[in-house]
Amino acid sequence: QVQLQESGPGLVKPSQTLSLACTVSGVSISSADYYWSWIRQSPGKGLEWLGYIYYIGSTYYNPSLKSRVVISLDTSKNQFSLNLSSVTATDTAVYYCASTVATRPRFDNWGQGTLVTVSS
Amino acid sequence: DTQMTQSPSSLSASVGDRVTIACRASQGISTYLNWYQHKPGKVPNLLIYAASRLQSGVPSRFSGSGSGTEFTLTISSLQPEDVATYYCQQSYSVSYTFGQGTKVEIK
Repeated sequence: QVQLQESGPGLVKPSQTLSLACTVSGVSISSADYYWSWIRQSPGKGLEWLGYIYYIGSTYYNPSLKSRVVISLDTSKNQFSLNLSSVTATDTAVYYCASTVATRPRFDNWGQGTLVTVSS
Repeated sequence: DTQMTQSPSSLSASVGDRVTIACRASQGISTYLNWYQHKPGKVPNLLIYAASRLQSGVPSRFSGSGSGTEFTLTISSLQPEDVATYYCQQSYSVSYTFGQGTKVEIK
């Protein structure tokens, strides 16, 4: 069973970079069977997919955020990470990491989510 | 991008009622459509995948139908524990997109 857990600062200042990590257990992050995604929900808003990374390091980002998002792998820690640059108050959200089986395109495993507030 | 539009945005129904939520895709997505239930403070939960397939462990009162651009999530007999926001999500094309959500309440 794949388990995911987000970690990182709960408060980020405007214009800075938001950095979160997702620790994966139950499967190697180097497995070709999974895609690793970040999804967020801003207060009062719906779910927004931010992007994914595949075990070979290939990435795909939401075009609306593409210039600010970077997702990377750390195989030594069995983690993948999110960096979102130049944040503003509109980036305040609960951030989730999630997994997708490569042959089954759906989010069937999620982390618990972590609230990140952008404020000075 | 493929845009997903849900209707209604919210609904209120009585326990035992049949509830239907619609989801429309801006272009054809075959049956690459998933439904999630999201309760406040909880993690989104996959209910239906591939438009009509029930995820393991999900009560059988939930069902999905549709293909192409028009999809439906049905709760056959609404229960108090079904109070949540429901989202459709397309996985036909990357970037993956969600509908704006439908909030379901008990009357």
